[in-house]
Amino acid sequence: DTGVSQNPRHKITKRGQNVTFRCDPISEHNRLYWYRQTLGQGPEFLTYFQNEAQLEKSRLLSDRFSAERPKGSFSTLEIQRTEQGDSAMYLCASSRSGQGSYFGPGTRLTVL
Amino acid sequence: GEDVEQSLFLSVREGDSSVINCTYTDSSSTYLYWYKQEPGAGLQLLTYIFSNMDMKQDQRLTVLLNKKDKHLSLRIADTQTGDSAIYFCAEANAGNNRKLIWGLGTSLAVNP
Repeated sequence: DTGVSQNPRHKITKRGQNVTFRCDPISEHNRLYWYRQTLGQGPEFLTYFQNEAQLEKSRLLSDRFSAERPKGSFSTLEIQRTEQGDSAMYLCASSRSGQGSYFGPGTRLTVL
Repeated sequence: GEDVEQSLFLSVREGDSSVINCTYTDSSSTYLYWYKQEPGAGLQLLTYIFSNMDMKQDQRLTVLLNKKDKHLSLRIADTQTGDSAIYFCAEANAGNNRKLIWGLGTSLAVNP
């Protein structure tokens, strides 16, 4: 297994556009997390899936953000009507019970 | 609420030991983690410790946990220039979907 992968690695978009990111977790990891990290900060939790069920969503996530994990494997994170404040590194992590979370390389979003 | 604190900077000479400290507030934390992040790179899980343990050693890394004082430390023996990175402490509560609460990270500089 090659670990958690994320695509794209970089995304530049204009304010108001929609963007979608994809995360492929380590196979057989039932837990999947999305975090956001800005410069000089630790990651902030956004949302959590156990298999295909979205069990927790941070108050940080406005209605413009939506995440899915339709078959309990890969996940997508969509941001609608992007704003400059959405510029950040979006990190995906996966884990299974009793283990730590393994992170992907992240998708760096720049909103112009 | 839950909080994790770390000192922001640490500078050591190559070959010396580094000790990075972390304090947390959630007394029900069950898992505590150390992650490494190199410039422009993702988060690498270094090690983790369960709250019923006092110490864990893995090659050059030693983790010490003082649950009474809610204090966690990471010792890196024989620090090398390749250890230069930001080290994040994170804690998770077993009853909270294991989402991670992060410190701001300690920037370790290793001087030749």
